[in-house]
Amino acid sequence: EAGVAQSPRYKIIEKRQSVAFWCNPISGHATLYWYQQILGQGPKLLIQFQNNGVVDDSQLPKDRFSAERLKGVDSTLKIQPAKLEDSAVYLCASRSGLAGGDEQYFGPGTRLTVT
Amino acid sequence: DQQVKQNSPSLSVQEGRISILNCDYTNSMFDYFLWYKKYPAEGPTFLISISSIKDKNEDGRFTVFLNKSAKHLSLHIVPSQPGDSAVYFCAASARSQGNLIFGKGTKLSVKP
Repeated sequence: EAGVAQSPRYKIIEKRQSVAFWCNPISGHATLYWYQQILGQGPKLLIQFQNNGVVDDSQLPKDRFSAERLKGVDSTLKIQPAKLEDSAVYLCASRSGLAGGDEQYFGPGTRLTVT
Repeated sequence: DQQVKQNSPSLSVQEGRISILNCDYTNSMFDYFLWYKKYPAEGPTFLISISSIKDKNEDGRFTVFLNKSAKHLSLHIVPSQPGDSAVYFCAASARSQGNLIFGKGTKLSVKP
């Protein structure tokens, strides 16, 4: 079974530029998450999708971050414009169901550096 | 305000000995707890979990203990192996919500 795929693996941009990350979850997984992991911290949830609907985006900085999950499969996360403090690893995870009890499977992450 | 706390940033253990990683939480709504292991340049991988209705769960060399009254859980690795060297994250969720709250992680180094 293929795991969660993410691209690109690394990205360097200048502040005020825009960037997009892509995630392909495990086949059949209805729930998809985007996390931000700043160096020295644990992953912090940005947004949670159930199929193509948003379940929780309370911690997404909506003035600059946006995410979509068209057709309930792949997802993209966009930052526009980027700030220095957005430098982090962006992790995508998927899970088969909505309720807790099933573990989340993480992709390798995209390391973003904003200069 | 951190709801999940891992107060030890690092831990060094000799190969063959026991590794004990600790985690505290503050939210009494949490009813499901997980440990993830992370190697450099990889995403976290699931290790072991425990529901709040249990106080112990064992899987091979890994055992998680939950003390609900103290809002504390621990991960025991016996015996520790050099391949266990990684960052370990404690995570918690309220089953009704499903999203995970992570601690900051503990870097475990197992020395041969």
